[in-house]
Amino acid sequence: GAGVSQTPSNKVTEKGKYVELRCDPISGHTALYWYRQSLGQGPEFLIYFQGTGAADDSGLPNDRFFAVRPEGSVSTLKIQRTERGDSAVYLCASSSSPRTSPHEQFFGPGTRLTVL
Amino acid sequence: AQKVTQAQTEISVVEKEDVTLDCVYETRDTTYYLFWYKQPPSGELVFLIRRNSFDEQNEISGRYSWNFQKSTSSFNFTITASQVVDSAVYFCALSEARLNDMRFGAGTRLTVKP
Repeated sequence: GAGVSQTPSNKVTEKGKYVELRCDPISGHTALYWYRQSLGQGPEFLIYFQGTGAADDSGLPNDRFFAVRPEGSVSTLKIQRTERGDSAVYLCASSSSPRTSPHEQFFGPGTRLTVL
Repeated sequence: AQKVTQAQTEISVVEKEDVTLDCVYETRDTTYYLFWYKQPPSGELVFLIRRNSFDEQNEISGRYSWNFQKSTSSFNFTITASQVVDSAVYFCALSEARLNDMRFGAGTRLTVKP
């Protein structure tokens, strides 16, 4: 079956611009996660959705970052007033995890964001 | 706070050698989950294993094996008879049961030379 897909695969933008990154999880997966991976580092947690609601957004670095999942499937990560330090690979993952037991997360290929 | 340390930044071996990737974790919780993921050059993270804190049995899957020791807070990963296709970055990760995030280590880049 289809895995997690993310679009675009690459995004180049200028400092100060607004960007949207899209994640399409595996069908039926209720849990959706966003991570950010900087060069040479492991993925860093940003936000977790269970269904339509953001159950944990403690990893969002500041209020320029926002994510939505209005229908409990596709999610969009939105970054306002981008900065050069936002350049990274943004990873999305989904799982069939119930609230209390983390199952394995299935990752998408990521979106490489470059802020010039 | 939860934390994962992968002290080996890079490892290089010759094909058919055995190699062990180290992972040390910190957590105050008694219930937690440990994971290993592989990130090949294509970039996509591939799930390898999940282990919960109450199951200290070692696991073997083909050429892969994992050694979980709570006494030393370690969850090491061994590849036996390494192959060139094993070349990738390997991440160890920790998830506490009461939280929803997964904390990753910095990763170990494994290069297997023919």
